[in-house]
Amino acid sequence: QSVLTQPPSASGTPGQRVTISCSGSSSNIGSNTVNWYQQLPGTAPKLLIYSNNQRPSGVPDRFSGSKSGTSASLAIRGLQSEDEADYYCAAWDDSLNGWVFGGGTKLTVL
Amino acid sequence: EVQLLESGGGLVQPGGSLRLSCAASGFTFRSYGMSWVRQAPGKGLEWVSGISGGGGSTYYADSVKGRFTISRDNSKNTLNLQMNSLRAEDTALYYCAKGGLWDPFDYWGQGTLVTVSS
Repeated sequence: QSVLTQPPSASGTPGQRVTISCSGSSSNIGSNTVNWYQQLPGTAPKLLIYSNNQRPSGVPDRFSGSKSGTSASLAIRGLQSEDEADYYCAAWDDSLNGWVFGGGTKLTVL
Repeated sequence: EVQLLESGGGLVQPGGSLRLSCAASGFTFRSYGMSWVRQAPGKGLEWVSGISGGGGSTYYADSVKGRFTISRDNSKNTLNLQMNSLRAEDTALYYCAKGGLWDPFDYWGQGTLVTVSS
């Protein structure tokens, strides 16, 4: 069981908007920022969103992040086939003194 | 261009040891924390260990504390992970990542596979 909770799967059709949730606690999301990672099939993870809602250079603005209390969300608008991947949230945990990840959400583009 | 190249993975028997290395280039290595993150076959990501830029601060996941040791050689731009008392559940693809200890993992290597089996 992962410390951060994500739905195991999500899906949408091209052009749709999809959101992926990430639930934590006061020791992680509640007191630290959230990062999101995208892992395309057979590749290493890639930083998608950092500090709750910041996009690294090169990440399309179709991807956005938000945080409220002990939960965070990743939103993808204008869904494209190349967005089909696994998505992971992560945050530093003050109680565990380490990084914790969500279990990952497999996004399928129908 | 930032590059991270892991090496040292392989097949090892339960109770055995293995040393992973990560050669870094394209950035000022000593200025950044570094981490190891693993992914068991078909499973999600699990943070394993992190180290500060100067090497003075180290952090470990409870699952590896006391068995794994992270270190770095800033003169050689190399990150290491010494893994002792290996267990079947340590079988995973081990990624080297730039960042950690507060900073996001903004660059990742391609990983090195560790298989613990008799």
